[in-house]
Amino acid sequence: EVQLVESGGGLIQPGGSLRLSCAASGFTVSSNYMSWVRQAPGKGLEWVSVIYSGGSTYYADSVKGRFTISRDNSKNTLYLQMNSLRAEDTAVYYCARDTAMAHWGQGTLVTVSS
Amino acid sequence: DIQMTQSPSTLSASVGDRVTITCRASQSISSWLAWYQQKPGKAPKLLIYKASSLESGVPSRFSGSGSGTEFTLTISSLQPDDFATYYCQQYNSYSPGLTFGGGTKVEIK
Repeated sequence: EVQLVESGGGLIQPGGSLRLSCAASGFTVSSNYMSWVRQAPGKGLEWVSVIYSGGSTYYADSVKGRFTISRDNSKNTLYLQMNSLRAEDTAVYYCARDTAMAHWGQGTLVTVSS
Repeated sequence: DIQMTQSPSTLSASVGDRVTITCRASQSISSWLAWYQQKPGKAPKLLIYKASSLESGVPSRFSGSGSGTEFTLTISSLQPDDFATYYCQQYNSYSPGLTFGGGTKVEIK
């Protein structure tokens, strides 16, 4: 059974850093396209970043230069390193598998506030 | 970057109604379009991929159509479990970003 479990969210001050993790089971992260998607409170879905199976990475303009997506093949885990966090980064962050996202994690809440 | 525009943003309907939601892409995305349903506090659920392919386990009252820049999601007979927010998403292989539409909230009339 495919499962994705995010962790690492929490309350962080503006300008701070946080690393989110997405532990996968039931499939191999490195063989799939893996994305991070976020949803601000009461708002719609916003794609954040994707890592392709070949290792190429892409980012939304809103996070380019501040966020880094990566994976650890030995741990079958996806990461999102978030630096220079802003209030507008406050959201539930989901990891998802593939480009048509059939599998999602439960989400982890990131709150950027002083 | 490809922009996705959904309409309407809110839709009021009754059980049994036929419901249609439209999604427009700012440039051609062939058939690289997915539709999702999301309920409050839950992760989105994939309904349709490749514009018209029904995801396994999704009721047949859901259908998708379109190609290029114009797409529709149709619910043939709205059921109580279908009141939710729906999103389209493009995943054109020639554009690395994966863009979502703004969402359509289907409310009880």
